[in-house]
Amino acid sequence: SAVISQKPSRDICQRGTSLTIQCQVDSQVTMMFWYRQQPGQSLTLIATANQGSEATYESGFVIDKFPISRPNLTFSTLTVSNMSPEDSSIYLCSVTSGPFGYFGPGTRLTVL
Amino acid sequence: DQQVKQNSPSLSVQEGRISILNCDYTNSMFDYFLWYKKYPAEGPTFLISISSIKDKNEDGRFTVFLNKSAKHLSLHIVPSQPGDSAVYFCAASENAGNNRKLIWGLGTSLAVNP
Repeated sequence: SAVISQKPSRDICQRGTSLTIQCQVDSQVTMMFWYRQQPGQSLTLIATANQGSEATYESGFVIDKFPISRPNLTFSTLTVSNMSPEDSSIYLCSVTSGPFGYFGPGTRLTVL
Repeated sequence: DQQVKQNSPSLSVQEGRISILNCDYTNSMFDYFLWYKKYPAEGPTFLISISSIKDKNEDGRFTVFLNKSAKHLSLHIVPSQPGDSAVYFCAASENAGNNRKLIWGLGTSLAVNP
């Protein structure tokens, strides 16, 4: 298993600003995943963060809007840029071990 | 194209009764299926899984059944307890070398009434 922490746990932001979410894992992992869960929706994969290479983004998500850093094997950041109310969501960091996925507690973002 | 489908967005059950949550999938290459439970304001937590080579896996009150020919799995909770009230996500995984991804259903919100 893996223990994952995220900061901040929640934030309220103004339209047009940016927020960087941090994710720390207690073990070294090759891939880290960033998800979001909008109100009443399922988990949507934003991107896969690989250490030492560019993140891989899913359809509908672009690097300019969601830049990701992966400086080492235990840490990653996701930035939500130029926010709008539609970005209000829970953002989740995840890692896998074999077929199992483990999640951080999430960051609840509200954009006014 | 939804590869993992949970067609019931919500389910309400009386305490002590059985809860049955269903999940269908379309990709025959999935080799692992998982159920996650999510409380509000928390990340999903792993509940139970089943490999494609099995048809049943049991863990306490939780049992997952897999019908590969029907591409269908179900989670049974017996007896249901009020603390089981949460959103349950079905997820499937395909072994693609080192790049395993989880494909998620939309979730079923379970309410267990005292």
